[in-house]
Amino acid sequence: QVQLVQSGAEVRKPGASVRVSCKASGYTFITYAMHWVRQVPGHRPEWMGWITTGNGNTIYAQKFQGRVTFTRDTSASTAYMEVSGLRSEDSAVYYCAAIDLGDYWGQGTLVTVSS
Amino acid sequence: EIVMTQSPATLSVSPGERATLSCRASQTVSSNLAWYQQKPGQAPRLLIHGVSTRATGIPARFSGSGSGTEFTLTISSLQSEDFAVYYCQQYNNWRTFGQGTKVEIK
Repeated sequence: QVQLVQSGAEVRKPGASVRVSCKASGYTFITYAMHWVRQVPGHRPEWMGWITTGNGNTIYAQKFQGRVTFTRDTSASTAYMEVSGLRSEDSAVYYCAAIDLGDYWGQGTLVTVSS
Repeated sequence: EIVMTQSPATLSVSPGERATLSCRASQTVSSNLAWYQQKPGQAPRLLIHGVSTRATGIPARFSGSGSGTEFTLTISSLQSEDFAVYYCQQYNNWRTFGQGTKVEIK
């Protein structure tokens, strides 16, 4: 069965970077894009963009351009999302999702930015 | 950016009753409108896409309607597991969510 398993919760100081991983299984990884969604607790989800896992092309929401980087390791069937220059307002749950395959989401990774 | 506005913010409903949730887009989204359900600590779950097509495994008590800029999600007879937050989402131009409607037990 399709599974997306994300890395565990992270705590970072303002200005630092964080990388979240998303390991896919149960399907051919390079066939479907991996999307990333951010949700501040108690707020609506925000679509951050996606990576075409086959060729590595990326699309970013304007809000996240320049501070967010999507990458993937096809040999490990894993997608990564890195945020640099963290601010307190980046504290959120980050999800990966293979929505072009179906309604498949990772379990979410809580990133807390605090001094 | 297309802004999605949902109403009401909170809906208090008794089990077995009907719930009607509204969603308005700031500009037309054609038929590219989805509804998601989210429970605490869980990822959003797709209920409806293409305005009215139920996703795999979604019960028939969930139905969607509307066109252009005005959309509705109806839950015909609320079950205990339906108390949650519901988001509409447009995917006509990027993807943006409404602010959500919390369906709570009356």
